[in-house]
Amino acid sequence: GQQVMQIPQYQHVQEGEDFTTYCNSSTTLSNIQWYKQRPGGHPVFLIQLVKSGEVKKQKRLTFQFGEAKKNSSLHITATQTTDVGTYFCAGPGSGTYKYIFGTGTRLKVLA
Amino acid sequence: DVKVTQSSRYLVKRTGEKVFLECVQDMDHENMFWYRQDPGLGLRLIYFSYDVKMKEKGDIPEGYSVSREKKERFSLILESASTNQTSMYLCASSLSLGQGSYEQYFGPGTRLTVT
Repeated sequence: GQQVMQIPQYQHVQEGEDFTTYCNSSTTLSNIQWYKQRPGGHPVFLIQLVKSGEVKKQKRLTFQFGEAKKNSSLHITATQTTDVGTYFCAGPGSGTYKYIFGTGTRLKVLA
Repeated sequence: DVKVTQSSRYLVKRTGEKVFLECVQDMDHENMFWYRQDPGLGLRLIYFSYDVKMKEKGDIPEGYSVSREKKERFSLILESASTNQTSMYLCASSLSLGQGSYEQYFGPGTRLTVT
């Protein structure tokens, strides 16, 4: 079945270092979404990418959708302790309405 | 502001018990979802509903059932709880972003322990 994988599973960085998580789908996606889950919290929608090769920025966060629409990345520049959490990508599943979530990347930022 | 609420944050049940997890959303969303979250496995879809009384199986429906009698409420039922159902359960509802895409709004989660 359709799978969405993320690497790495965990990442520890010093505050101020950059961070990147990668998302790979077994199938071509019409769009890709990213969510952030703070420790003890629930996933919160960050952004959606739709076009092949699309790049979007939210302050220090840069999101990219691959040319083949099968992979995506989230890059954080100069991490801060507020960036701590688990980042999930999600792509549409077969049929309608449902999304397949990636395995998540857990980010820890050391002050 | 969309609000998705779940009936309990923490729940401890015994093996074999019938367990009900309730979810309510206040934004008139058509679609609602139940996921379970386990370390290293991400979020896995159990069931979803796109309308009242309508439901579809997700990726891991075995051992679970659902009920949606009212638009705002979606219940997850564990007919006979087992220890491998110990997990974090997340409910979500979704808002259309157009062109067949949906933004999901999650509840706070219920951490269920089955002993």
